Amino acid sequence: TQLLEQSPQFLSIQEGENLTVYCNSSSVFSSLQWYRQEPGEGPVLLVTVVTGGEVKKLKRLTFQFGDARKDSSLHITAAQPGDTGLYLCAGLLRSGYALNFGKGTSLLVTP
Amino acid sequence: ETGVTQSPTHLIKTRGQQVTLRCSSQSGHNTVSWYQQALGQGPQFIFQYYREEENGRGNFPPRFSGLQFPNYSSELNVNALELDDSALYLCASSFAGASQETQYFGPGTRLLVL
Repeated sequence: TQLLEQSPQFLSIQEGENLTVYCNSSSVFSSLQWYRQEPGEGPVLLVTVVTGGEVKKLKRLTFQFGDARKDSSLHITAAQPGDTGLYLCAGLLRSGYALNFGKGTSLLVTP
Repeated sequence: ETGVTQSPTHLIKTRGQQVTLRCSSQSGHNTVSWYQQALGQGPQFIFQYYREEENGRGNFPPRFSGLQFPNYSSELNVNALELDDSALYLCASSFAGASQETQYFGPGTRLLVL
């Protein structure tokens, strides 16, 4: 059972455009993490959000955790080719120990 | 600070064989989790080890087993390999008791079963 639904699944944009990736669930998470993964490599942590309504910024990336801690979004401003990769959201349930991953959003940014 | 390392990087096995994958956790971390990532999918939780004992398990059959050693490194063993076991196997380490328990991943082992 996939607890987290990510959308869109694929995204192809040109350099300079803005985009938003969504991560939704009916479950409440104690924390939610966003990772970026390159082909054949392990996921690299971008951010962890813990508090409902929390907003974190990492240069051109803005992460938001929903008030009810059931959903999250990642917004990229002025995308660059170096942003290309698979973006994964993963939630930790209140009583859990395992990260529950979405299927990921594959982003391609062309010059 | 040393990150999470995994070995080998790539492995080819045939159906029915057994395989052992290894993971060294990030320094200061005491918990290791293993995930299986099939092509085009997000990682799926296999199990987690804490204090050398299995601390939780996902929906994987008993032929997937593991170990954690006193230095917090870990092994994943898979018996009677099946074609569907072909995947990227990821190890992640974390510190139990930390406020966020963020998991940090290694580069993975790519397993191909023929």
